[in-house]
Amino acid sequence: DAGITQSPRHKVTETGTPVTLRCHQTENHRYMYWYRQDPGHGLRLIHYSYGVKDTDKGEVSDGYSVSRSKTEDFLLTLESATSSQTSVYFCAISETGGIRTNEKLFFGSGTQLSVL
Amino acid sequence: DQQVKQNSPSLSVQEGRISILNCDYTNSMFDYFLWYKKYPAEGPTFLISISSIKDKNEDGRFTVFLNKSAKHLSLHIVPSQPGDSAVYFCAARPGGATNKLIFGTGTLLAVQP
Repeated sequence: DAGITQSPRHKVTETGTPVTLRCHQTENHRYMYWYRQDPGHGLRLIHYSYGVKDTDKGEVSDGYSVSRSKTEDFLLTLESATSSQTSVYFCAISETGGIRTNEKLFFGSGTQLSVL
Repeated sequence: DQQVKQNSPSLSVQEGRISILNCDYTNSMFDYFLWYKKYPAEGPTFLISISSIKDKNEDGRFTVFLNKSAKHLSLHIVPSQPGDSAVYFCAARPGGATNKLIFGTGTLLAVQP
């Protein structure tokens, strides 16, 4: 199994509060991703990183920011949480970002976030 | 606009029979397709994949078929086992060196003993 740890595993917060989710990997992979999973939508890409301090937006980036100060850590921040951000958040990693044609993403176990 | 679609939210099959999960896509530039399996309270795990230059890939009980002209792929599980009960996501990779996978909405497979 890929060494990916997400914390916390569960979090309940109130609307308007800031929240930070952490993804930690021990694989030394360059690429890291944040997805959210919602019923009827599958998994959607929020942000991704292609190196330390190098990040870019995904499909549903509004209301989220990310930071990557070390290879192993990728943080997802909800500056002011809203109820629409209640979701399951998954971190994923990949070694080359798709340069190898048969490369796949490896996922963490997820964080269940509830915004009340 | 959903580029990858799984039109069956759920599927129930008997143990030992074949499970067929379907996926349709709209973007002809997708160059690589993957199936992920997800158990409750766990992250998705990779199951099987296929390049757009192939029409079939097999791995044990799992076979993926790709029909590019129809923009359709399917996952066959034979024989189905109760441990296969999970949500299955189809994913596609846009052409070029990117691993920003686009996922379908998932199909919940229930294999009845």
